[in-house]
Amino acid sequence: AQSVSQHNHHVILSEAASLELGCNYSYGGTVNLFWYVQYPGQHLQLLLKYFSGDPLVKGIKGFEAEFIKSKFSFNLRKPSVQWSDTAEYFCAVSGNEKLTFGTGTRLTIIP
Amino acid sequence: ETGVTQSPTHLIKTRGQQVTLRCSSQSGHNTVSWYQQALGQGPQFIFQYYREEENGRGNFPPRFSGLQFPNYSSELNVNALELDDSALYLCASSPPGGGANVLTFGAGSRLTVL
Repeated sequence: AQSVSQHNHHVILSEAASLELGCNYSYGGTVNLFWYVQYPGQHLQLLLKYFSGDPLVKGIKGFEAEFIKSKFSFNLRKPSVQWSDTAEYFCAVSGNEKLTFGTGTRLTIIP
Repeated sequence: ETGVTQSPTHLIKTRGQQVTLRCSSQSGHNTVSWYQQALGQGPQFIFQYYREEENGRGNFPPRFSGLQFPNYSSELNVNALELDDSALYLCASSPPGGGANVLTFGAGSRLTVL
């Protein structure tokens, strides 16, 4: 069975700080990994995805994530956060026609 | 192109009642999936519909059922509502061959069960 763990439940940062959100997965097949963002009152949006190839993937709004197979990790990073990055972030793995999400990390950026 | 639209956006029901939630898929998409997002949790897969048939189901009881129509729109029905059914219900559609790798989510229907 596939599963995703996000250990940071709530992260509070000041603007311009660097961000790294942890994600570990468990899945026996070929791994497709995703980060989604849910801004307050808005729908889930895809930030970035990894299917194969370069393990460092770049997404929208300056986000990037690194797939480390040996650590079963897919951590999300951003060098300098903005107030507008305040949102809920979900890591997910796909398989068997479904996405399995982690419990999410709430990110609060203090101006 | 229009995205995924869901209705209603909010609704309140009481225990034991039945509810129907509706979803219009994005233009060109033929597969619809439903997810339940309880407060403080990540979305959980309920089921997927393709060619008007259920094509994969998560760990949800049979009182959760669905339909897909020839125009690819979909309904989620929940019978005998329980308090724990209170959640945001998300619909997502995907294009032919996309599966779970190319999902577009709607804004959701927030169900409160009293």
